[in-house]
Amino acid sequence: AQTVTQSQPEMSVQEAETVTLSCTYDTSENNYYLFWYKQPPSRQMILVIRQEAYKQQNATENRFSVNFQKAAKSFSLKISDSQLGDTAMYFCAFEVSGYALNFGKGTSLLVTP
Amino acid sequence: DTAVSQTPKYLVTQMGNDKSIKCEQNLGHDTMYWYKQDSKKFLKIMFSYNNKELIINETVPNRFSPKSPDKAHLNLHINSLELGDSAVYFCASSPFMGGSPLHFGNGTRLTVT
Repeated sequence: AQTVTQSQPEMSVQEAETVTLSCTYDTSENNYYLFWYKQPPSRQMILVIRQEAYKQQNATENRFSVNFQKAAKSFSLKISDSQLGDTAMYFCAFEVSGYALNFGKGTSLLVTP
Repeated sequence: DTAVSQTPKYLVTQMGNDKSIKCEQNLGHDTMYWYKQDSKKFLKIMFSYNNKELIINETVPNRFSPKSPDKAHLNLHINSLELGDSAVYFCASSPFMGGSPLHFGNGTRLTVT
């Protein structure tokens, strides 16, 4: 069974600062996909970033980047220049082909002025 | 031009009733899903359909019955509602299973009284 662990239930960061959300996972598979989704108070689920396990290069989307450590089974999300609109619940998720997306329990991020 | 739309947005009903949630996607995706988000924000897969065929059926009570009349629609019917069914239910779609990001609907908040 694949499990996804987010060890930080809540985090806080000041506007313009950088914050890192941690995620670890457990699997015996070699090929898989990792995602970060955000869920703002509006409840909508929004894709932040996607990483393919066979790619060593860390994915980047504007202010969002990941630190993917395959051997350590770690997939942290770094948010640079935090903005008030980044306040949301952030979910790390894991997928193996043929199986559904498996989510962590989420980290609630609050960006303060 | 909503990509994944689900109705209703809110549903309040009494224990023992039967209710349905509808989901439609206009993205041309082959795969659709139902996820349940509990009061602690944990997202768990319930069902997955690929081209109208059931692919994943997690340990969900058989009071929950998904129906996919065509690959653009995946409805969820719930019989004999219980208090524990109160949650937010998300419909999602993806081009295929295995690495493609999910596109989520805005969720249906079901409250059973």
